Amino acid sequence: EVQLVESGGGLVQPGASLKLSCVASGFTFSDYWMSWVRQTPGKTMEWIGDIKYDGSYTNYAPSLKNRFTISRDNAKSTLYLQMSNVRSEDTATYYCTRGFDYWGQGVMVTVSS
Amino acid sequence: DVVLTQTPVSLLISLGGQASISCRSSQSLVHSNGNTYLHWYLQKPGQSPQLLIYQVSNRFSGIPDRFSGSGSGTDFTLKISRVEPEDLGVYYCLQRTHNPPTFGGGTKLELK
Repeated sequence: EVQLVESGGGLVQPGASLKLSCVASGFTFSDYWMSWVRQTPGKTMEWIGDIKYDGSYTNYAPSLKNRFTISRDNAKSTLYLQMSNVRSEDTATYYCTRGFDYWGQGVMVTVSS
Repeated sequence: DVVLTQTPVSLLISLGGQASISCRSSQSLVHSNGNTYLHWYLQKPGQSPQLLIYQVSNRFSGIPDRFSGSGSGTDFTLKISRVEPEDLGVYYCLQRTHNPPTFGGGTKLELK
C-alpha cells in the first residue's frame, strides 16, 4: 500500500525557516517524480514544485522558487521541502504527492507572530 | 498560467442522482505529444485529495464506474452517476499539460 506521511509543520514566525519531510513507503521511491502542493485556508490548491526521481532536476512555481527548495534522499525514501523567509501567505496545508496520483495526509503550517 | 474554471461552485444532489461538473481551460490542454493531462480529484471532508480520473477519461485504480470523465481541448466534464454518501466532498480538476500545473477552484457536492 502506497503511503506518504508528512511531518515538520507547526506555528512559525514570519521570516523564519521550516523544513517539511515526507516519508514514503509501499513503492520504490527512487522510481518516481515527487511533488509538493499546498492548500490555503480558503481551499485554493497551489502547486509548489517537482523533483525528478534521482534528484537531478527540480521545477518550481515561479512565485516560490526563491524561497522554497525541494530535495530528496532516496536511501531514506524521504522528500523534503525547505521553506525560508516564510510569510503569512504561506499559511496552508502542505501535501506531498507521488506524481499526483497518491497524496499524503498533509501537514499544516501556520505563519504568525 | 492556465486558468481552470470549474462550474458549478456547489451542487446539491439527491442520493442515487446524477452530478455533472464542468472544467474549462483558458487554453488547449492537448500536449505536444498528443496526450491531454487533465485529471479529476475528490477531497472528502478532512482528507487529502484522491485521484479519480486521469488524462480526461481513465479511471484510477479502485474507482467505481459511476465516475466518468470526458471532454477535449478546453472543455471537460466529470459525471457521477448513482451518487452515494461517500461521493460527497469537493471535486477539483488539475491540468499538467502546461507548466506550472494548475487546479480548478473546486466544486462542492452536497446532499439535497
